[in-house]
Amino acid sequence: EAGVAQSPRYKIIEKRQSVAFWCNPISGHATLYWYQQILGQGPKLLIQFQNNGVVDDSQLPKDRFSAERLKGVDSTLKIQPAKLEDSAVYLCASSFSGANVLTFGAGSRLTVL
Amino acid sequence: GENVEQHPSTLSVQEGDSAVIKCTYSDSASNYFPWYKQELGKRPQLIIDIRSNVGEKKDQRIAVTLNKTAKHFSLHITETQPEDSAVYFCAAPNYGGSQGNLIFGKGTKLSVKP
Repeated sequence: EAGVAQSPRYKIIEKRQSVAFWCNPISGHATLYWYQQILGQGPKLLIQFQNNGVVDDSQLPKDRFSAERLKGVDSTLKIQPAKLEDSAVYLCASSFSGANVLTFGAGSRLTVL
Repeated sequence: GENVEQHPSTLSVQEGDSAVIKCTYSDSASNYFPWYKQELGKRPQLIIDIRSNVGEKKDQRIAVTLNKTAKHFSLHITETQPEDSAVYFCAAPNYGGSQGNLIFGKGTKLSVKP
């Protein structure tokens, strides 16, 4: 079975610029998550989707972060404008509906200068 | 939401020794507790999990124990090998039960010295 696909793997931008990350979950996984992992810390949930609906976005900094999953399959996470503290790995994960056995993608490493 | 505390933050053992990592959680309604292993520069991968209807689960050299009364669970690795060196994360459901998103601990960096 194909894993969770993410792109780009690496991105370097300057503060106040924008960036977008893409994720394609495992086929058949209705639930999709975006986590932020700052160096030396555990993953922190940003947003959870069930199909194309948002289940939990309580930790998403909505003034600068947005995410969508329009057709209930792949998803895009956007940051605009980026701050230095946004430097992190952005991990996408997916799971079967109603289960929380997460499979993570390889992540997108963002460096904000 | 749930709060997960993980200790120690770093652990160094000699090859062949055992390693134990402990986590506590706050929501007594939580009943699913996974452990993830993350090698340097790679994705977190599930290595073992336990649900609250059992107190212990083993898979070869790794085991997880759960004490629901005390609200803590532990990862045990026996006969450690250099390839066990990684960061280990415990997690629990954010809103209790066994569904929904996970809250992760801050991680334990395990170093196994040959």
